[in-house]
Order: sequence, then C-alpha cells, then structure tokens
Amino acid sequence: DAGVIQSPRHEVTEMGQEVTLRCKPISGHDYLFWYRQTMMRGLELLIYFNNNVPIDDSGMPEDRFSAKMPNASFSTLKIQPSEPRDSAVYFCASSFLVPYEQFFGPGTRLTVL
Amino acid sequence: KNEVEQSPQNLTAQEGEFITINCSYSVGISALHWLQQHPGGGIVSLFMLSSGKKKHGRLIATINIQEKHSSLHITASHPRDSAVYICAVIPSKEGGSEKLVFGKGTKLTVNP
Repeated sequence: DAGVIQSPRHEVTEMGQEVTLRCKPISGHDYLFWYRQTMMRGLELLIYFNNNVPIDDSGMPEDRFSAKMPNASFSTLKIQPSEPRDSAVYFCASSFLVPYEQFFGPGTRLTVL
Repeated sequence: KNEVEQSPQNLTAQEGEFITINCSYSVGISALHWLQQHPGGGIVSLFMLSSGKKKHGRLIATINIQEKHSSLHITASHPRDSAVYICAVIPSKEGGSEKLVFGKGTKLTVNP
C-alpha cells in the first residue's frame, strides 16, 4: 500500500491567491482528517470526515477554509483567499473503522508570501 | 491551559541512556496516542493505549487512567531516536467528537 498521499508537497503562493491541497487516503479507510502544524500552535485538527461526511469542522479557522470529500479516495482542503498567517504544514491522515490508529501523509508545506 | 501537557519540552541525551517523556491530561479520555515526528517531518503512530502498558522494541508506553498520566520510555537510546514525540488524547465520547487533542511535543536529541 502506498500510504496516505498528499499533493503538492510544497506550495509557495502570494497572498490573496487560492490554494488547494489534495489527499488520497489509504484504500478502505473510512475516516479522514486534515491537520495544520505550526511552530506556535503545534498540531491542530481542522476537520474530519467519516464515510465522506464531515463530522467536526470546528477547527476550521474561518470561512476562507473549506474542505470536501467527494468520494472515499479523495479529499481537498481549499484556502481562498490565502494569507501569510496560513503558512504551515498541512497533514492529512486516515484510519479504519475507529479514529484511533491514524496513518499520516507526508504533509504539504504551504508558504504564503 | 492546554488539555494535554508534555514534559520536558526539550531533551538531550547521550547514546545508550534511558529516556522518559511524560504526558498529563486534564479530561476523561477513551484512548491516548504517542506519535513520532522525524526531522524530515513525517509523523508515525507509535502506540495507542487505553490502559496498562505496551512495548515495541526499545519503546515502552504506560498509562495511568486514575492519575491522567502517560509516559513514553526509550531504552538504550540511539541517535536515530532523535525526533519530536507527541502525545495526543481522544476525549471520552460523551456527546463529543472523536478527535485527537495534541500536546505540544517533546524534542529529543540523542548524541553519539
């Protein structure tokens, strides 16, 4: 199994631009999580899905952030418009049945200038 | 106050030393995770436990539910153990969601 796949691995953009991060979970996993990691705040959960349905999006910072999971094998996290304070590493993780043993993707390092 | 507190924040050891990283939490939980993040950034789940003790190679994780405390021990430490170790809990699901709450991490450096 290829594990959780994220793309792009690095993204540099200018303030105001739209950014789309992509995630392919491990096949057969029914939970998908989006996390953000910064030096100041550490790892934070943004949103998670169960069977493609968003369960808890209370960690999404504001309306500029949105996430979708159109099918079991693909999810996107979109930031529009992006701001410098969104610069962070964004991780996607997936798990099977219960949201305990999570498998993390390699992360996307986002820099907003 | 963070729901999950780790100590120490930074730890430097010599190769071969026995290492302990601590995690305290303030809420009722259904499970606790220990994660490892290497300098390259990848995150790996080491243990998930809800009681007692688990062992994998040179790593041992213990949890005391009554005291709301967990420890991660590394025996015969090696430079390749250098990483950030993160404690995360899943609060008891009493109407709450099943999301991990993370500590800030402990950065371990093992010198040869």
